[in-house]
Amino acid sequence: GPKVLQIPSHQIIDMGQMVTLNCDPVSNHLYFYWYKQILGQQMEFLVNFYNGKVMEKSKLFKDQFSVERPDGSYFTLKIQPTALEDSAVYFCASSSLGSNTGQLYFGEGSKLTVL
Amino acid sequence: QQQVRQSPQSLTVWEGETAILNCSYEDSTFDYFPWYHQFPGESPALLIAIRPVSNKKEDGRFTIFFNKREKKFSLHIADSQPGDSATYFCAASGDQGKLIFGQGTKLSIKP
Repeated sequence: GPKVLQIPSHQIIDMGQMVTLNCDPVSNHLYFYWYKQILGQQMEFLVNFYNGKVMEKSKLFKDQFSVERPDGSYFTLKIQPTALEDSAVYFCASSSLGSNTGQLYFGEGSKLTVL
Repeated sequence: QQQVRQSPQSLTVWEGETAILNCSYEDSTFDYFPWYHQFPGESPALLIAIRPVSNKKEDGRFTIFFNKREKKFSLHIADSQPGDSATYFCAASGDQGKLIFGQGTKLSIKP
């Protein structure tokens, strides 16, 4: 089936450093999402992105977070500076239609450990 | 108002039994209700989904029952198999474009 690729699969950084998580969505998908999951618990919505813009972001999407997809390349989540509570697995997802219309395809996650 | 509540947190059933997972929601504008399953170390994957125009959706051993009036929906897994052991997430979405997940149910099937 369609694949969403995420790079890196695991990153360990010191608190205060910057991190960029990369997502290669399914080809021709137009909607992109980031979710945060701590220790196999609930998938928490962070942000969705369409047509080069953030559509909606949650309270978890702090000012230190940003997303972009320059020129159809990777869809990225940048955290600058990182905090201890940012440690989690971050899942990227993409869909061809909005999430109330079509299936979201998830990547395998980027595990972020902030020390 | 945007919450999706899921229960139980964990569930163990014997092989061959029917596992029942429950969810409720508050936002009446939600119009798409998928169930995802997630195996340890893997990404969530869509299992089955329903829209409020229906009160039941079947796909093999998996059935969603939907009660619009009570804002509840459930996943029934018939003839449970050990390979069904995973964490199951219900979710809901409206025209705002974001998918809200429940807290998850860790399902264990005993052989």
